[in-house]
This record gives sequence, structure tokens and C-alpha cells, in this order.
Amino acid sequence: DAGITQSPRHKVTETGTPVTLRCHQTENHRYMYWYRQDPGHGLRLIHYSYGVKDTDKGEVSDGYSVSRSKTEDFLLTLESATSSQTSVYFCAISSGGGAYTEAFFGQGTRLTVV
Amino acid sequence: KQEVTQIPAALSVPEGENLVLNCSFTDSAIYNLQWFRQDPGKGLTSLLLIQSSQREQTSGRLNASLDKSSGRSTLYIAASQPGDSATYLCAVFRGTGGGNKLTFGTGTQLKVEL
Repeated sequence: DAGITQSPRHKVTETGTPVTLRCHQTENHRYMYWYRQDPGHGLRLIHYSYGVKDTDKGEVSDGYSVSRSKTEDFLLTLESATSSQTSVYFCAISSGGGAYTEAFFGQGTRLTVV
Repeated sequence: KQEVTQIPAALSVPEGENLVLNCSFTDSAIYNLQWFRQDPGKGLTSLLLIQSSQREQTSGRLNASLDKSSGRSTLYIAASQPGDSATYLCAVFRGTGGGNKLTFGTGTQLKVEL
């Protein structure tokens, strides 16, 4: 398995509270991604990073922010959680080598906002 | 905007059958296409990666083909087994100014029955 660890694996939080999810990799890959997976929508990109301090928005970035201060860590923050952010969140990494790029995924974080 | 479609959404077959899962995408300017497997409550496991210049890739009983010009890929599973039961996802990598992004289909849920 690719060296990707997501924490926490499960979290229940109240509406309006801030939440931070962590993705840690040991592969020294340049690219890191946050996706959410919801029934009927599949996997949708929230934010991604192409280097330390270099991040960009995905298709569903509203209500989320990210930070990457070290190659190995990519943090996803929900500033004020809402029920619509109840989902399973996946972190992914890739080396970013164009056609040779292969993506690897973490085990996911199940977040419930009540 | 890249859109990825997978047909069928669900499939049930008896053990031993050969089967084909389909994936289509709207923008042929891709770097590669990747097939994943997802078991319930788990993360995504990479099965096969086809680079944009390749026509097919094989791994054991799995064979994936790519026709970039027509925007289609198929995943062929030979001699299906109950352990193949899972959701199969295809995703295309397309480079942007900031880096590679994966766009996913919504998956095919496969059940192989004894």
C-alpha cells in the first residue's frame, strides 16, 4: 500500500464548528488531493496541491480551505461545518509525471455533521 | 469541462462469466486513464493505468483498453469470481496549468454470485 495516512478516520461534529482533516504521506510525492465521495455524485475534487504552499481549487471548494506547509502533510479545513459537508473524504497523492502518473488513495475519513 | 460516464451503474453476474465494464469521457486530451476498485467502506485500490499513447494494459484476469480518439475505455474481467464483487471506478488524468487532476466516473457496482 502507498504510504498515505488520513486522520481521523471517523468524526462527528456539530454544525458551525471548525474541523481539520489531515493527510500524511511517506512517498515524497509532489501532488496531493482532497476528494469527497457522495452517493449519486461519485468522487469530486475539493482542492489540490502541486507543491509546498502551492494549492488550487477543485470543483467543490466552497466552504473548504487547505494548507500544505510540508511535502508530507496536506490539511483540509472546514471553517464552519454544515450538514451538506457530511461525506467521506479521501486524500490522494501522485508523482505528477504526466502520462506516467499514477494516483494512490488513502482509506478515507467519514465525517458526520449534526 | 471533462465528464466521465460509466455504464452500467450496476451489474450482477454468475461466477465464471467474462464481463466488460465501460467508461466514456468527453475530452480526449488526457494524459492517462486509471481503473480503481473500491470495496464497501474502504479506499480506492489502483488496478490498471493506461497511458494516453497506449491501447491496452493487462494485469492477471484484468485487461483494460483505451481508445482516446473516441473517448472510451473498457475493463474486461475474465472468469469472474465472488471476490471480484466491488465498485469499479474509472478516472482520467488531464493536465492543467497547475498540475494533474483526476476526474472520476460514478462507478459500476459489480456483484458476482456463486
